[in-house]
Amino acid sequence: AQKVTQTQTSISVVEKTTVTMDCVYETRDSSYFLFWYKQTASGEIVFLIRQDSYKKENATVGHYSLNFQKPKSSIGLIITATQIEDSAVYFCAMRGAASSGSWQLIFGSGTQLTVMP
Amino acid sequence: NAGVIQTPRHKVTGKGQEATLWCEPISGHSAVFWYRQTIVQGLEFLTYFRNQAPIDDSGMPKERFSAQMPNQSHSTLKIQSTQPQDSAVYLCASSSTNTEVFFGKGTRLTVV
Repeated sequence: AQKVTQTQTSISVVEKTTVTMDCVYETRDSSYFLFWYKQTASGEIVFLIRQDSYKKENATVGHYSLNFQKPKSSIGLIITATQIEDSAVYFCAMRGAASSGSWQLIFGSGTQLTVMP
Repeated sequence: NAGVIQTPRHKVTGKGQEATLWCEPISGHSAVFWYRQTIVQGLEFLTYFRNQAPIDDSGMPKERFSAQMPNQSHSTLKIQSTQPQDSAVYLCASSSTNTEVFFGKGTRLTVV
């Protein structure tokens, strides 16, 4: 069975610094996709960044980047130059490839990030 | 692109009444998902459709919950005989093949 684990319940950082959020996953699929989402204070869940399991290069989008360590089944999210508005709950998620039939996203429990002035 | 649209945004029902939640996926997306979010359980998968066909409903409470996708432009989640423990935010999402999943803003269901 697929499983996603986020052990950090909450993190506080000072703005303009860098923060890393951890995530480990379990899957038997040979091909899969890893995602990070952000849930804002209004409850909206927003897609941030994605890593395809077959790609060795870490994904980067704006001030978000990933630290993908496949042998460790780990996908960390790095946010550089944090801003107050980055304060939110961050979810790690995984889904299998279409060929696997397991298309649904499996979520971790989330990490609350607070960015302080 | 208006994104995934969910209606209503808020719904209050009396215990034992029926609640129907609506979802309009992003045009062209082949998969539609329903999730439920509570403080205690977090984000729970309920069910999903691919090309309108039900594929996996393993997360659905068996007796009172049902989901349909009568056409490619909308899906419904129906809860019969609502109970207080059904109170949650219900999220609809859609995606294309092997891409990220996009979420609607959710329907907050409160059973009183």
